Amino acid sequence: QQQVKQSPQSLIVQKGGISIINCAYENTAFDYFPWYQQFPGKGPALLIAIRPDVSEKKEGRFTISFNKSAKQFSLHIMDSQPGDSATYFCAAFVNAGGTSYGKLTFGQGTILTVHP
Amino acid sequence: DAMVIQNPRYQVTQFGKPVTLSCSQTLNHNVMYWYQQKSSQAPKLLFHYYDKDFNNEADTPDNFQSRRPNTSFCFLDIRSPGLGDAAMYLCATSRTGGPREKLFFGSGTQLSVL
Repeated sequence: QQQVKQSPQSLIVQKGGISIINCAYENTAFDYFPWYQQFPGKGPALLIAIRPDVSEKKEGRFTISFNKSAKQFSLHIMDSQPGDSATYFCAAFVNAGGTSYGKLTFGQGTILTVHP
Repeated sequence: DAMVIQNPRYQVTQFGKPVTLSCSQTLNHNVMYWYQQKSSQAPKLLFHYYDKDFNNEADTPDNFQSRRPNTSFCFLDIRSPGLGDAAMYLCATSRTGGPREKLFFGSGTQLSVL
């Protein structure tokens, strides 16, 4: 119920190509869906996020597509660059019951490699 | 400039020998989280503090404890580390813990258990 399933585990893309990473969830209490980017030896950093009442959000080369009825969301990286090579985690936020704060559940991660 | 600082960067301990990992923040955020991240896996939430209010995840082993003596500092204590506890431990903060607040992560402490 609390899981977020992410695929693929790893992805290799040529420079200039489109990278697509998919996530699915079951818990309808999740109400915010961020993506985090992690470089080796660093902690994850927020990349982009979406609310469930929005179907798409775009920031530069990064786009989240969200399908509430299917309980799926995906990250698209357009014009992928070698500097985008990192591990990407989708995540979902749920409130701690009866409070204004909560916690993130992360997907398993996708290792993206962009070849020059 | 580092806003969430974890020390040490690498920690080696012996099987069964207690170890403490530390985290400090300069952001004055209310919420602090501890995540465990094993190789090629998702960060797994161990516990979090909303101010002084401690919240333990149901599946966090009793072997793991945490202390938050003040807003800036939070510690992760592993009372009797086992080989399975070898992992990256990530500390993160959030201003309010609300859904649209981003988490700020430290660079992590890589724990090895010999």
